[in-house]
Amino acid sequence: GDSVTQMEGPVTLSEEAFLTINCTYTATGYPSLFWYVQYPGEGLQLLLKATKADDKGSNKGFEATYRKETTSFHLEKGSVQVSDSAVYFCALSDPQTGANSKLTFGKGITLSVRP
Amino acid sequence: DAGVIQSPRHEVTEMGQEVTLRCKPISGHDYLFWYRQTMMRGLELLIYFNNNVPIDDSGMPEDRFSAKMPNASFSTLKIQPSEPRDSAVYFCASKSDPGLAGGSNTGELFFGEGSRLTVL
Repeated sequence: GDSVTQMEGPVTLSEEAFLTINCTYTATGYPSLFWYVQYPGEGLQLLLKATKADDKGSNKGFEATYRKETTSFHLEKGSVQVSDSAVYFCALSDPQTGANSKLTFGKGITLSVRP
Repeated sequence: DAGVIQSPRHEVTEMGQEVTLRCKPISGHDYLFWYRQTMMRGLELLIYFNNNVPIDDSGMPEDRFSAKMPNASFSTLKIQPSEPRDSAVYFCASKSDPGLAGGSNTGELFFGEGSRLTVL
């Protein structure tokens, strides 16, 4: 079945450091890929998405490129801020399995950015 | 739109009591999802509805859990009787069909702020 694997956390960085959060996936078809972010005390919200191979999603300085050859969708940001402290979830939806409607989420990783 | 609205935000109850969580999805959305989030298991999909009809309830942990969607603007998740291991944050989320409303519809999933349940 479909699955999403995220790197183990938590991650602690200093402000203005470079961020990479790894995400790899397993899917039957050609999924759409997503990064969701959860700020403390809130629900998840979409950060960025990519719907086909080589697409790059970007938002708020974050980027992720859909790499079909490595089945990856790593999240990057060149210079993190304290306000980026949150939990980050990688997710996919897979139309091939008929599950286009629902998302499969990774376990999430907690990012803490210190001043 | 006010977004997905959940109530209560916090619920503390004793083991054996009935718990009802409520959700109002975004108007016009065709899909409604119930998720549970815990430290141990992360984010788990419990059940989802399409046009008020349950499509996949394979994530519902056991018969103590039930969910209904009597109309397009309201859904409930009920736990009866509740147990301490049910303590978690329960999220409701909704989305529209990505095949509808033209190319501008990304099919994004919108989450409520969650209901934090503590069963003593």
